[in-house]
Amino acid sequence: RKEVEQDPGPFNVPEGATVAFNCTYSNSASQSFFWYRQDCRKEPKLLMSVYSSGNEDGRFTAQLNRASQYISLLIRDSKLSDSATYLCVVNFKSNYQLIWGAGTKLIIKP
Amino acid sequence: EAGVVQSPRYKIIEKKQPVAFWCNPISGHNTLYWYRQNLGQGPELLIRYENEEAVDDSQLPKDRFSAERLKGVDSTLKIQPAELGDSAVYLCASSLDPAGSNTGELFFGEGSRLTVL
Repeated sequence: RKEVEQDPGPFNVPEGATVAFNCTYSNSASQSFFWYRQDCRKEPKLLMSVYSSGNEDGRFTAQLNRASQYISLLIRDSKLSDSATYLCVVNFKSNYQLIWGAGTKLIIKP
Repeated sequence: EAGVVQSPRYKIIEKKQPVAFWCNPISGHNTLYWYRQNLGQGPELLIRYENEEAVDDSQLPKDRFSAERLKGVDSTLKIQPAELGDSAVYLCASSLDPAGSNTGELFFGEGSRLTVL
């Protein structure tokens, strides 16, 4: 089983819709969680950190479920520019390792 | 402020040839990472430096890969000899935190796309 797993997609979503995807992690000792965005043939960029109480940044909401060991990303009122691959990243602080998921591809259609 | 700079952007070589990639991190960032990313996959860490010290090179294929970060600033990643399976994008990243992972914010360069024929 991979340490960090994501549904590769693609998720094909009409513009304006709400879309959500999850990321599961295997190490219960994981302490920090992040979502990165990667546009096609570009480098990854931090989208948002995921806090225990959940957090929101504009149209984006991230949540953490420690009991079930997953994090989620919800995008409301999706825009064409949201089309990208969303990478889940988990930090095992015992050795300061960042473990990356393979990413979920999102395609927003007009 | 300049971001992470990598060169070359693209490199095509024949198998068994050597290749080198260069990275200049953001000024003041002590932590530097080399990642490899294959199509449809997330980045895989090759090596992490804290200043000039390689603190995690457990995933670096040491028989053919080498890296250095002299003076704790820019870094070079070398492959010799290259194999077909080395075709990938090699990403350099830097971060402000000593371990980088406390905030999770790594700043990536545009990457060096290697094709081995």
